Amino acid sequence: DSGVTQTPKHLITATGQRVTLRCSPRSGDLSVYWYQQSLDQGLQFLIQYYNGEERAKGNILERFSAQQFPDLHSELNLSSLELGDSALYFCASSVAGADTQYFGPGTRLTVL
Amino acid sequence: DAKTTQPPSMDCAEGRAANLPCNHSTISGNEYVYWYRQIHSQGPQYIIHGLKNNETNEMASLIITEDRKSSTLILPHATLRDTAVYYCIVRSPYTGTASKLTFGTGTRLQVTL
Repeated sequence: DSGVTQTPKHLITATGQRVTLRCSPRSGDLSVYWYQQSLDQGLQFLIQYYNGEERAKGNILERFSAQQFPDLHSELNLSSLELGDSALYFCASSVAGADTQYFGPGTRLTVL
Repeated sequence: DAKTTQPPSMDCAEGRAANLPCNHSTISGNEYVYWYRQIHSQGPQYIIHGLKNNETNEMASLIITEDRKSSTLILPHATLRDTAVYYCIVRSPYTGTASKLTFGTGTRLQVTL
């Protein structure tokens, strides 16, 4: 158990819908990262937050957004969902920006 | 980040040592070598990391060559539960975009009876 929690574990929705994925980092960690793992793209970095502020952006679509709240939990919002958004979404956390990242169990999103 | 090259798959008998190689010939002097593994579709699990000295923890040992162009992850006594995809990642010590982890395709380790 890494100490990083993600909810929900599974999410099934329809195209065009909007969903929110939630991540709680390990106690004491200030940085949160989001990664997407699809069958054809592998694990890809989406975005990083540090202590409430966006710190780095990767291959994140404009339809996706994230935020980190004062209690340090983070949410990833996915809107106008497409079939291709079906994937595993992982959250990771670290103490600061350059420290070891620990991953949560992931949310499996299925878009029908 | 420096690019890494790993064999796509390896087999290991249970109880034997599993030696997983990684080539990172373009690594910079301040970049670390990290190893993660992913069991089925679970979240990637941190194993170990190092800069230039060999490292050992309760899970594995990391051997980095003197020129730092390659490394080997050693699982001393592999069990069936070690069957997973193992990722070797070279990572900058700096923050921002540089702090992301860039996953390749990894090595699929199959531990057999």
